Amino acid sequence: DIQMTQSPSTLSASVGDRVTITCRASQSIGNWLAWYQQKPGKAPKLLIYKASYLESGVPSRFSGSGSGTDFTLIISSLQPDDFATYYCQQYNSNLPYSFGQGTKLEIK
Amino acid sequence: QVHLVQSGAEVKKPGASVKVSCQASGYVFTGYYIHWVRQVPGQGLEWMGWINPNSGVTKYAQKFQARVTMTSDTSSSTAYMELSTITSDDTAFYYCARARFYGDFDFQYWGQGTLVTVSS
Repeated sequence: DIQMTQSPSTLSASVGDRVTITCRASQSIGNWLAWYQQKPGKAPKLLIYKASYLESGVPSRFSGSGSGTDFTLIISSLQPDDFATYYCQQYNSNLPYSFGQGTKLEIK
Repeated sequence: QVHLVQSGAEVKKPGASVKVSCQASGYVFTGYYIHWVRQVPGQGLEWMGWINPNSGVTKYAQKFQARVTMTSDTSSSTAYMELSTITSDDTAFYYCARARFYGDFDFQYWGQGTLVTVSS
């Protein structure tokens, strides 16, 4: 199985900050990586697919990059609505389609 | 617009089975796989498997292979996930999800989640 490791697990930041979350795969997954945002009591929301493609309707302050084993989600200027938990997910052909453990973004 | 509406919360005893439904609308049900993802409260996301409603073909994560059955009913555009021999470790939110396109596995649409509580 492919293991996905996110860092950090928790991140404290302020409105207006630039935030970076990283995700590392235990083996190469090409660009088959998605990022999700989840708020308490809600289903995850797709933000980024194929590592760098912004899902329709998602603000442009979110961006994704990377390929192979190392990936990054950047929020260029944090907004109050962005405080949530973020997950990466690999969907390479190797099953199962595993998720990272999550990064909780908290208000500093 | 695409909607996935799941059945309500369940409370089950250890050793029982639970069946969760996911009714799809707003698109051609047979045109996309339905995936199931679970989340133990306060923890991360775990992919369980998918079903192709067009063919009935399924693919399960090895962890659940022996205990999960995914089915679908094209007449009602509903997918089902049944988990057997459940224990307290199966207490979780169960989500159905659909990808952006047929053959993709990034989940654009999600159901609202169904909480399954296993308690004696």
